[in-house]
Amino acid sequence: DTAVSQTPKYLVTQMGNDKSIKCEQNLGHDTMYWYKQDSKKFLKIMFSYNNKELIINETVPNRFSPKSPDKAHLNLHINSLELGDSAVYFCASSQLGGIGHAGGYTFGSGTRLTVV
Amino acid sequence: DAKTTQPNSMESNEEEPVHLPCNHSTISGTDYIHWYRQLPSQGPEYVIHGLTSNVNNRMASLAIAEDRKSSTLILHRATLRDAAVYYCILRDVDAGNMLTFGGGTRLMVKP
Repeated sequence: DTAVSQTPKYLVTQMGNDKSIKCEQNLGHDTMYWYKQDSKKFLKIMFSYNNKELIINETVPNRFSPKSPDKAHLNLHINSLELGDSAVYFCASSQLGGIGHAGGYTFGSGTRLTVV
Repeated sequence: DAKTTQPNSMESNEEEPVHLPCNHSTISGTDYIHWYRQLPSQGPEYVIHGLTSNVNNRMASLAIAEDRKSSTLILHRATLRDAAVYYCILRDVDAGNMLTFGGGTRLMVKP
């Protein structure tokens, strides 16, 4: 039973389109995240979200927005896709305030987005 | 999160021990030392963490210098499956829950 699952695994779309990536976690964690891994393999935090607070990395364009219908889901919406948005996007979850493994992050397997 | 410095890459032979170093000279008293790894085409996974004392788990051991300015992740017998990028991360849980990744060390394991 996958702890953090993302769909789709691959997404190919044209510039200018709007797309969403879904993320679900069944760990009972209260905080979820989105990371972007570009072609140089650097992992950059995009958003951190729990039911109290959304923290946005200031470098993330406002075309990106997280949507959380409930504690177990954090979807990523991207408007007006650009070529530079091509990357692998990872969802993760953790327990706020936990340390070590208890507060460690569990990552999904990633969504490879290709904008053409 | 405070900055860490790791070698870009390392090589190891299969079934030999591997010592992956990490420098964190600006570590603060409330920073925990975390290690994650990312296997090819997968998301990062938690490996081990520590504060001051050395730590062992089923995946690895973590040796922390007495002054905490450096640490070493030890894989006791490298396997081909251990080929991955290993990230050393300092995490101050008092400063929030964000995990900030650096460049990591790419470990290559030769048969």
